[in-house]
Amino acid sequence: AQSVTQLDSQVPVFEEAPVELRCNYSSSVSVYLFWYVQYPNQGLQLLLKYLSGSTLVKGINGFEAEFNKSQTSFHLRKPSVHISDTAEYFCAVTGYNQGGKLIFGQGTELSVKP
Amino acid sequence: DGGITQSPKYLFRKEGQNVTLSCEQNLNHDAMYWYRQDPGQGLRLIYYSQIVNDFQKGDIAEGYSVSREKKESFPLTVTSAQKNPTAFYLCASSISGILGAKNIQYFGAGTRLSVL
Repeated sequence: AQSVTQLDSQVPVFEEAPVELRCNYSSSVSVYLFWYVQYPNQGLQLLLKYLSGSTLVKGINGFEAEFNKSQTSFHLRKPSVHISDTAEYFCAVTGYNQGGKLIFGQGTELSVKP
Repeated sequence: DGGITQSPKYLFRKEGQNVTLSCEQNLNHDAMYWYRQDPGQGLRLIYYSQIVNDFQKGDIAEGYSVSREKKESFPLTVTSAQKNPTAFYLCASSISGILGAKNIQYFGAGTRLSVL
């Protein structure tokens, strides 16, 4: 069975500071990994994905993530955050035998303060 | 514009009542999904459908039912058997229910269900 753990439920940060949102997964098979963002009372929007190839993936809004197979991690980073980045962020995983189903982490609430 | 439309945005259910949440997509996607979101618990899969006229239970299917009679529609019924229905419900779709780039899921704006 697969699982995803987002290590921080809340991350407060000041505007223009760097941020890292941590995600660890467990799986016995090869995985595909995703980060989604959710603004209040809205659906989820895809930030970035790792399917194969380069372990450093770049997404929208200046975010990037690095797939680390040995540490089973897929941490999300941004070098300088804006007030508008305040939202909830979800890490998700799927594997080849999952019929396309995504397993989501519990979410990390990013709060950017002026 | 292509996308996923969920309606209504807000829904109230009385005791013993069944309610149906609508999800329509015009993306020509084969696969559709229903998730339930509770604070601090992330998203949990209720039901999913990889093709018309076929669907499977997810992790928390009890108290819910679905149908997939048309490719573009995947309504979710919250039955009276669901004792704790208050949550935010999200519908998603993907080109295909198999692995890979085609599995990227796109989400609707959600329906917030409350119990009166």
